[in-house]
Amino acid sequence: DADVTQTPRNRITKTGKRIMLECSQTKGHDRMYWYRQDPGLGLRLIYYSFDVKDINKGEISDGYSVSRQAQAKFSLSLESAIPNQTALYFCATSDPDRDELFFGEGSRLTVL
Amino acid sequence: GESVGLHLPTLSVQEGDNSIINCAYSNSASDYFIWYKQESGKGPQFIIDIRSNMDKRQGQRVTVLLNKTVKHLSLQIAATQPGDSAVYFCADSRGSNYKLTFGKGTLLTVNP
Repeated sequence: DADVTQTPRNRITKTGKRIMLECSQTKGHDRMYWYRQDPGLGLRLIYYSFDVKDINKGEISDGYSVSRQAQAKFSLSLESAIPNQTALYFCATSDPDRDELFFGEGSRLTVL
Repeated sequence: GESVGLHLPTLSVQEGDNSIINCAYSNSASDYFIWYKQESGKGPQFIIDIRSNMDKRQGQRVTVLLNKTVKHLSLQIAATQPGDSAVYFCADSRGSNYKLTFGKGTLLTVNP
């Protein structure tokens, strides 16, 4: 089983719909992240959380919100999806003693 | 990582040749650097990292070189294999409040 699991892996939705992407991890890491990947733009940080009571905005947080339900779970929400939020979304975790990020397999979101 | 426009840089090599993938970073205060490999349909995977107090680090078939004077990072892959075909990302961060900034990636294609 994957250490970092994202659901759904693929989702097609319409403009204005509310979408939630979920992430769960079995690595026991306190730190969790949500990144967005667009062709030619690389990975950009949306939100990150260093523990259950800690939530921080990344460089592109507008239009997104997150919830850290437990150490192992970090969900990303789009309250009212728009077409330019069509992208590949990655959840990641890290151990504070090491800087390496461990990524999930990604969630491909298409907003029509 | 550096902004290099909308088109992904590409590198095509023959199987068995050595590959060198380059990356420029912009933050002179960055003190940690990392390379990730992303295969099609998968999340990024850690390859190798280096801290700013080093200028070279070797792994299995891979070497990372850091030139802080010109803010340049390179990844060398020895005896490149078809399984090395992927997009390679560099990333950097600064300080203990760990957040990686990713470059846009380079597509490596290994020809048999």
